Amino acid sequence: QQPVQSPQAVILREGEDAVINCSSSKALYSVHWYRQKHGEAPVFLMILLKGGEQKGHEKISASFNEKKQQSSLYLTASQLSYSGTYFCGTETRGYQKVTFGIGTKLQVIP
Amino acid sequence: EPEVTQTPSHQVTQMGQEVILRCVPISNHLYFYWYRQILGQKVEFLVSFYNNEISEKSEIFDDQFSVERPDGSNFTLKIRSTKLEDSAMYFCASSVRAGGPGHEQFFGPGTRLTVL
Repeated sequence: QQPVQSPQAVILREGEDAVINCSSSKALYSVHWYRQKHGEAPVFLMILLKGGEQKGHEKISASFNEKKQQSSLYLTASQLSYSGTYFCGTETRGYQKVTFGIGTKLQVIP
Repeated sequence: EPEVTQTPSHQVTQMGQEVILRCVPISNHLYFYWYRQILGQKVEFLVSFYNNEISEKSEIFDDQFSVERPDGSNFTLKIRSTKLEDSAMYFCASSVRAGGPGHEQFFGPGTRLTVL
């Protein structure tokens, strides 16, 4: 069952912050975050394993609340290069396929 | 930096024809995947492959599809008799592991398949 992402789309001005949420109806083993620019392949951002850890990647970080079966991706001080579609992918147990959500389209404007 | 490569970048075929999409995963990766993305939609899992056999496949991956690792470097997806609805971008991906740290998947640039 695919994770649910929200919002479906967001427009930001450069320098603004955004949060993208990913939730599942099933217990999660891990959450993966990818960014895909138009016409390109998805690019790995980070993976979070159950344990409630938070990870950071430059000005992009994420949290994983395994009790709530939710993950959030935080983009701070957004740059034009952050524009793209952000997908979360979930595993309900290890050594299993990653199921992706429908994505969140993020557009950063000057 | 090592990367996943795919050929061809664009394949046009007639309905009912067979196509083979090719991928070269990152050399030290052990797990290989095929995904499909219909234009404007989400990335859909097709199949995962490890140790020369399918680990997992989705309901999309029916008898028309097959995968193979014919040599030490290539990983192929064959569609035996293409349908119009097979038109999509097909991504190959690879990872070091299939669970926990190391499961991050690196995607190739994709092959756009157009079935006429």
